[in-house]
Amino acid sequence: EAGVAQSPRYKIIEKRQSVAFWCNPISGHATLYWYQQILGQGPKLLIQFQNNGVVDDSQLPKDRFSAERLKGVDSTLKIQPAKLEDSAVYLCASSLGFTGGRLNGYTFGSGTRLTVV
Amino acid sequence: SQQGEEDPQALSIQEGENATMNCSYKTSINNLQWYRQNSGRGLVHLILIRSNEREKHSGRLRVTLDTSKKSSSLLITASRAADTASYFCATGRSFQKLVFGTGTRLLVSP
Repeated sequence: EAGVAQSPRYKIIEKRQSVAFWCNPISGHATLYWYQQILGQGPKLLIQFQNNGVVDDSQLPKDRFSAERLKGVDSTLKIQPAKLEDSAVYLCASSLGFTGGRLNGYTFGSGTRLTVV
Repeated sequence: SQQGEEDPQALSIQEGENATMNCSYKTSINNLQWYRQNSGRGLVHLILIRSNEREKHSGRLRVTLDTSKKSSSLLITASRAADTASYFCATGRSFQKLVFGTGTRLLVSP
């Protein structure tokens, strides 16, 4: 089975510029997550999609971050304008959720490392 | 916000030794998961334990859960250099949303 694909792998931008990240989850995984992982910390959930609907975006800084999941498959996460503190790894994950009486774990992509200078 | 805290923050052992990492959390959960993260890579799911379970095994991994103490432990037996990574616990209050802890950095020396 193909894994979760993310691109780009690395991105360096200046503050106040905009940036977009792309994620293609595992086929058939209805739930998609974007996490932000600052160096030395654990991942923090930014947004959770179920198919193409938003389930939880309570920790998404909506004044500068936006995300969408078109047709319930691919997803993009955008930052506009970027701040220095946005430097982090942005991880996309997908999951089957609860199926067949079994709760499934997440499958993560390799992430996009963003550096804002 | 981080739900779990792993202890210790860093652990250094020799190959063949056992490694034990602990996770404490604050609120009630219905499942707890452990993930491994190699440097510069994404997280890999290791094991999931539900709140009505006390112990689970997977290969060289053993996870325990004590809901009365709001704590879990991950034991890696007969560690190998390839086990060098950061290990995170993640707790779920619903079936979908996971909140990750701060991680334990494990170094296994040959």
